[in-house]
Amino acid sequence: KAGVTQTPRYLIKTRGQQVTLSCSPISGHRSVSWYQQTPGQGLQFLFEYFSETQRNKGNFPGRFSGRQFSNSRSEMNVSTLELGDSALYLCASRTGSNEAFFGQGTRLTVV
Amino acid sequence: AQTVTQSQPEMSVQEAETVTLSCTYDTSESDYYLFWYKQPPSRQMILVIRQEAYKQQNATENRFSVNFQKAAKSFSLKISDSQLGDAAMYFCAYRRGSARQLTFGSGTQLTVLP
Repeated sequence: KAGVTQTPRYLIKTRGQQVTLSCSPISGHRSVSWYQQTPGQGLQFLFEYFSETQRNKGNFPGRFSGRQFSNSRSEMNVSTLELGDSALYLCASRTGSNEAFFGQGTRLTVV
Repeated sequence: AQTVTQSQPEMSVQEAETVTLSCTYDTSESDYYLFWYKQPPSRQMILVIRQEAYKQQNATENRFSVNFQKAAKSFSLKISDSQLGDAAMYFCAYRRGSARQLTFGSGTQLTVLP
């Protein structure tokens, strides 16, 4: 069974631009969560989608948004990028009350 | 709000020896789950072990075991017979029973010395 797939693995963007990251969950998993990992703030929850609906959102500005498609694939978008948005973005999928399985992340660098 | 604290930023252990990583958490919930995740240089978070709060028995997965002290809100990870491949950042995480988000600690960087 394939794991959680995140694309792209690396991104370099300029301040002010926008970016879209993609996450394909494990087959059969309908819940997808996104986390931001930085050296200063650690791992922080961004949002979670289930059956195409956002179920929960962390404490991030509105520039961070996401969506989920009918096949459970999810995208997150960051608009008007700031230097502080440079981070590793991790996606996790799960089914039911089971544990979350993570992808390898997308390393975003904003210059 | 729930918080998870890992007070050891770095730990080291000799190969084949045993090491214990500490984690404390704060919650007023009775239904919750605790996890240890490992993040090697590849950056992928890998689940090491999981503990349900309602279970009194400590979880064990091969060389990995936990010491779950519910009253003290402590959840430590013991790695026995440490191997070079165990070197990684280890994160303790909490999830409220009905929730889907994880709250992570700040991590402990484990070095295994040959």
